[in-house]
Amino acid sequence: ILNVEQSPQSLHVQEGDSTNFTCSFPSSNFYALHWYRWETAKSPEALFVMTLNGDEKKKGRISATLNTKEGYSYLYIKGSQPEDSATYLCAFSGGADGLTFGKGTHLIIQP
Amino acid sequence: EPEVTQTPSHQVTQMGQEVILRCVPISNHLYFYWYRQILGQKVEFLVSFYNNEISEKSEIFDDQFSVERPDGSNFTLKIRSTKLEDSAMYFCASSEFGGEGSEQYFGPGTRLTVT
Repeated sequence: ILNVEQSPQSLHVQEGDSTNFTCSFPSSNFYALHWYRWETAKSPEALFVMTLNGDEKKKGRISATLNTKEGYSYLYIKGSQPEDSATYLCAFSGGADGLTFGKGTHLIIQP
Repeated sequence: EPEVTQTPSHQVTQMGQEVILRCVPISNHLYFYWYRQILGQKVEFLVSFYNNEISEKSEIFDDQFSVERPDGSNFTLKIRSTKLEDSAMYFCASSEFGGEGSEQYFGPGTRLTVT
């Protein structure tokens, strides 16, 4: 059974502050790591797909890093805004079609 | 921007009844998936579908479940005889390419409640 863990489970951040959270995954049989942003009642939105050790990806104020050797990825949000409030999911791909998800980090930005 | 759509948004059914959940994937996508999330738990993979056949399925996807692409646009998940434990949010996803690095685009989900 593949174990994908995310921490923290929930996070309250003041508007304007920067924040980050973690996804840990198996370091063997790694193919890709996906990050999704999921707002209630909407579709999970794909943020990044990362495949190479040392990869860094950026989309506006959000960026992610990947360490496949130790099995973790960080997601960073710079200068948090209220619209960043969402659940952030990571998902591991180990060569199969299906993604294995973590439980998510629920981020709340306080004005 | 193209998106995956799902209907209905909420389905309530009685135990033992059959339900069909519908999805319209993004039009040029060739790979289709179903996932589910039981309340408070992780999103779990059910099945992937390509070229009109199942390419992979999880242990959850037993004989009670089936998938079909009845026409060029719809992709359906059927549960033959629903159980209480089938209550969950069911997500459809599609991708243009197969392979592990391919981005999967998700629909908004159908909340299934079995009473």
